[in-house]
Amino acid sequence: ELKVEQNPLFLSMQEGKNYTIYCNYSTTSDRLYWYRQDPGKSLESLFVLLSNGAVKQEGRLMASLDTKARLSTLHITAAVHDLSATYFCAVASGGYQKVTFGTGTKLQVIP
Amino acid sequence: DTAVSQTPKYLVTQMGNDKSIKCEQNLGHDTMYWYKQDSKKFLKIMFSYNNKELIINETVPNRFSPKSPDKAHLNLHINSLELGDSAVYFCASGGAGEAFFGQGTRLTVV
Repeated sequence: ELKVEQNPLFLSMQEGKNYTIYCNYSTTSDRLYWYRQDPGKSLESLFVLLSNGAVKQEGRLMASLDTKARLSTLHITAAVHDLSATYFCAVASGGYQKVTFGTGTKLQVIP
Repeated sequence: DTAVSQTPKYLVTQMGNDKSIKCEQNLGHDTMYWYKQDSKKFLKIMFSYNNKELIINETVPNRFSPKSPDKAHLNLHINSLELGDSAVYFCASGGAGEAFFGQGTRLTVV
């Protein structure tokens, strides 16, 4: 059974600082997603990473994928308050029919 | 236009009742999903349908019965609701890329 673990589970950081969220998964997959969820809201797709070494950037967020290490990272650069949310990674398996989510990382950016 | 829409957004009901949540997508995707998000925000897949056929059923109690009349719709019917069914239920659709989520249905069983 595919397991997806994120750490940290909770992250409180000051504006302007950098930090990285880690996502480890237990079985082979070459398709990984990052989502953002604001309180009481739905999930918003941030990145789709499709191959080993894939790197994508949008604003202050950059995601990367290492399929050999079964590891993805979400790097936050110079955090701002608007980035406060819960971030989920998710891994596709079973011919992409099944998407398993990580535990989520609740990010709080303090002004 | 809303890509994935669920109704209702909120549902409060008594134990033992039967309720349904509807989901529709206009993205033309072949695959639709139901996810449950518990109070700790953990998201767990419940069902996956591909072109109206059940692909994944993740050991969900048989009180939960999904129905897909066509590939744009995936409804969730829940019989004999229990307190532990209280959660947010998300419908999603996806092709070969990422899944797109509906706004969620907050189910509260009292």
